Amino acid sequence: TQLLEQSPQFLSIQEGENLTVYCNSSSVFSSLQWYRQEPGEGPVLLVTVVTGGEVKKLKRLTFQFGDARKDSSLHITAAQPGDTGLYLCAGQNSGGSNYKLTFGKGTLLTVNP
Amino acid sequence: NAGVTQTPKFQVLKTGQSMTLQCAQDMNHEYMSWYRQDPGMGLRLIHYSVGAGITDQGEVPNGYNVSRSTTEDFPLRLLSAAPSQTSVYFCASSYSGGSEKLFFGSGTQLSVL
Repeated sequence: TQLLEQSPQFLSIQEGENLTVYCNSSSVFSSLQWYRQEPGEGPVLLVTVVTGGEVKKLKRLTFQFGDARKDSSLHITAAQPGDTGLYLCAGQNSGGSNYKLTFGKGTLLTVNP
Repeated sequence: NAGVTQTPKFQVLKTGQSMTLQCAQDMNHEYMSWYRQDPGMGLRLIHYSVGAGITDQGEVPNGYNVSRSTTEDFPLRLLSAAPSQTSVYFCASSYSGGSEKLFFGSGTQLSVL
């Protein structure tokens, strides 16, 4: 099983601050996805990155896939209370079954007004 | 479109009871999967299916059965519930698995006493 380590596990910040959360592994992934989950709901896909070194932007969110495709980061600029939620990264195995996604344990972000 | 529909939303079982968690999708997705989410453990894959009549085990399959008789439905059966199966269960689907966007249901919160 390929493991994904997310850090930090918890993050509480004030509105307007910037933050970065990390997703790291010793294994190579074919692709990596970021999801956001709100209480009582299922995760919702934010982005998929597939190329080493790839950077994608979604409004105030910037996602980067590491050159070696073993790690990824999510940077939020000027966080807002609406960004509060559990952020999960998920990697597609590069070997064996292509159908399985491995999820990290998540970063629980709280943005205080 | 309804997307991915899970029922029930909440369930309480006694140890040893059996039950079936229902999952249906109306997006004509070939790939369907079941995850469990536990505090501090992230999302773990239980079983998945790449099409009608085809199922395979995920990371934590013991104590659970699945079948896929139609493209739309993918029920998860607990044969003899145990307290260790207390968790939130999510069904998810995508067009073909892998790096495709996963659509999640809103979850079933199960407590086994």
